[in-house]
Amino acid sequence: SQQGEEDPQALSIQEGENATMNCSYKTSINNLQWYRQNSGRGLVHLILIRSNEREKHSGRLRVTLDTSKKSSSLLITASRAADTASYFCATGETSGSRLTFGEGTQLTVNP
Amino acid sequence: GAVVSQHPSRVICKSGTSVKIECRSLDFQATTMFWYRQFPKKSLMLMATSNEGSKATYEQGVEKDKFLINHASLTLSTLTVTSAHPEDSSFYICSAQGLPVPDTQYFGPGTRLTVL
Repeated sequence: SQQGEEDPQALSIQEGENATMNCSYKTSINNLQWYRQNSGRGLVHLILIRSNEREKHSGRLRVTLDTSKKSSSLLITASRAADTASYFCATGETSGSRLTFGEGTQLTVNP
Repeated sequence: GAVVSQHPSRVICKSGTSVKIECRSLDFQATTMFWYRQFPKKSLMLMATSNEGSKATYEQGVEKDKFLINHASLTLSTLTVTSAHPEDSSFYICSAQGLPVPDTQYFGPGTRLTVL
């Protein structure tokens, strides 16, 4: 399997529900980032968490990082239809290095 | 936040022609720019990394003579697809990285290339 695998591949929920996406990786990392991509558009940076951090919040987003399990999760609370997008995790092995992207989770939030 | 523009957003060209895509960081200096290719419903595939003033570093399997990258300034990088063929049709996305947050990549909106 590849560095940065998201789980599930697709997730469909109702507006107002919470959405949780998971990401696993293989090598040691300096940081892990989550990005959102709307169909046919570029990626939007959501949040960066460093290897010495365990949890980070930004608005309705909560990211956790467990370096012992080499995994991260992204929680979107009180989802909205506008949250419908693909979500990618990306890992950086060192500060400022290239990022390795996972395959992404397609989230659909039904109104 | 940091803004990266990409031009053109869409291009259709005939087989055998060359296409240039520009990537600009509008409000910060990008020490490093990255070029990705994305197939439908797939993840991003890194093609090359470019640092201002030096030659780009290409990923394995990416032909450097086919995908010419120039990073002439701290705000501009270009990708030229030379002698394009239908199999080069794809979504190309650039990203830029620099101060004040050196680890975060800021992405352009992408360029949809269709080669007839």
